[in-house]
Amino acid sequence: EPEVTQTPSHQVTQMGQEVILRCVPISNHLYFYWYRQILGQKVEFLVSFYNNEISEKSEIFDDQFSVERPDGSNFTLKIRSTKLEDSAMYFCARRDRGTDTQYFGPGTRLTVL
Amino acid sequence: QQQVKQSPQSLIVQKGGISIINCAYENTAFDYFPWYQQFPGKGPALLIAIRPDVSEKKEGRFTISFNKSAKQFSLHIMDSQPGDSATYFCAASIYNFNKFYFGSGTKLNVKP
Repeated sequence: EPEVTQTPSHQVTQMGQEVILRCVPISNHLYFYWYRQILGQKVEFLVSFYNNEISEKSEIFDDQFSVERPDGSNFTLKIRSTKLEDSAMYFCARRDRGTDTQYFGPGTRLTVL
Repeated sequence: QQQVKQSPQSLIVQKGGISIINCAYENTAFDYFPWYQQFPGKGPALLIAIRPDVSEKKEGRFTISFNKSAKQFSLHIMDSQPGDSATYFCAASIYNFNKFYFGSGTKLNVKP
């Protein structure tokens, strides 16, 4: 049973378009993360989200990116104006309070044409 | 700046053999070191993790060896099986900061 589910599994978009990637936790967790993995490369941290606020973000997470939890359940990553180099797998992860372990979702493959 | 360095990039092992993947880190504040297994098209799945207060942790065929003074840790897969063929990532984090710094990954191929 997946710890989190992500939708869509694959998103194809044109350069300059906005995309929204969704993460749905199975249960009510407070700690969420977004990572990305460019094909064949390592997994890179984008942003962490705690108690409905950004707790930390990387240099990659510029003004084109935003995260929110609009309905208290889904956790979304929005890319406002996609670039070719945004093509990657995007993973959502969650962590339980009091532990270090992060459980990753199956990912969304974003292809920017 | 590479916080976590992983080697080798790829590894071929015969069925039944021992697979060894190594990682080295820079930041002495790291206090949690997980290993993740990733199959093509899937998300990373936690395999085993260790804290720096122990030098070794074993779970089934998987063992982490940790050398705090050398700032190195390694994953040993005993009796490697073709089903172990995947990409393995080491990672490190600092409690309460929590973002993971991942290594570059090792693609393991276990030959039948």
